[in-house]
Amino acid sequence: DTAVSQTPKYLVTQMGNDKSIKCEQNLGHDTMYWYKQDSKKFLKIMFSYNNKELIINETVPNRFSPKSPDKAHLNLHINSLELGDSAVYFCASSPTGVGSNEQFFGPGTRLTVL
Amino acid sequence: AQRVTQPEKLLSVFKGAPVELKCNYSYSGSPELFWYVQYSRQRLQLLLRHISRESIKGFTADLNKGETSFHLKKPFAQEEDSAMYYCALSGRSGGGADGLTFGKGTHLIIQP
Repeated sequence: DTAVSQTPKYLVTQMGNDKSIKCEQNLGHDTMYWYKQDSKKFLKIMFSYNNKELIINETVPNRFSPKSPDKAHLNLHINSLELGDSAVYFCASSPTGVGSNEQFFGPGTRLTVL
Repeated sequence: AQRVTQPEKLLSVFKGAPVELKCNYSYSGSPELFWYVQYSRQRLQLLLRHISRESIKGFTADLNKGETSFHLKKPFAQEEDSAMYYCALSGRSGGGADGLTFGKGTHLIIQP
């Protein structure tokens, strides 16, 4: 299947722990993103990566760090987790260049910090 | 700064009734507008984009630059249309990578 995939689907952890969420896309896209959806269903972009360069960082705490081992992967690392980090995190990808900026989303990872 | 406003947090209509989900945007350049849909506990899916001017699942949306609006419409609502709908804007920057700016979403409930 051609798609954007994320693991794990659910992540429950204690405050203060460090965790990672993995994202992979096999669509051949150049750009990948991470979004956070809070309890009120509000979606906000966190990061985007294009050719291994961070393009956008929307006032996200530096406890969050995206890591891209290659063009098909953008993993999200979170250090010293806090209660307020509980949310659904969506990975997305898009082609770049002239034309539509349509983004394709992963299924989401529901993070619960206890 | 770019902004997307969806004034209705919740919209409830009866099956067969017309639906209009409002979206207004603020952007100084030439925006690209999208509607995404999220069914219960599923991933976001693209529903419409203004550049394609197509109808998907009976939904249409027209970009009105004068009113800076991109309202989503369907003449006859169906129960399976119940979902969260997000209006999103992508600012073009010469082919660079832009994240989408989302509105806060409208929860559409179609009553039988």
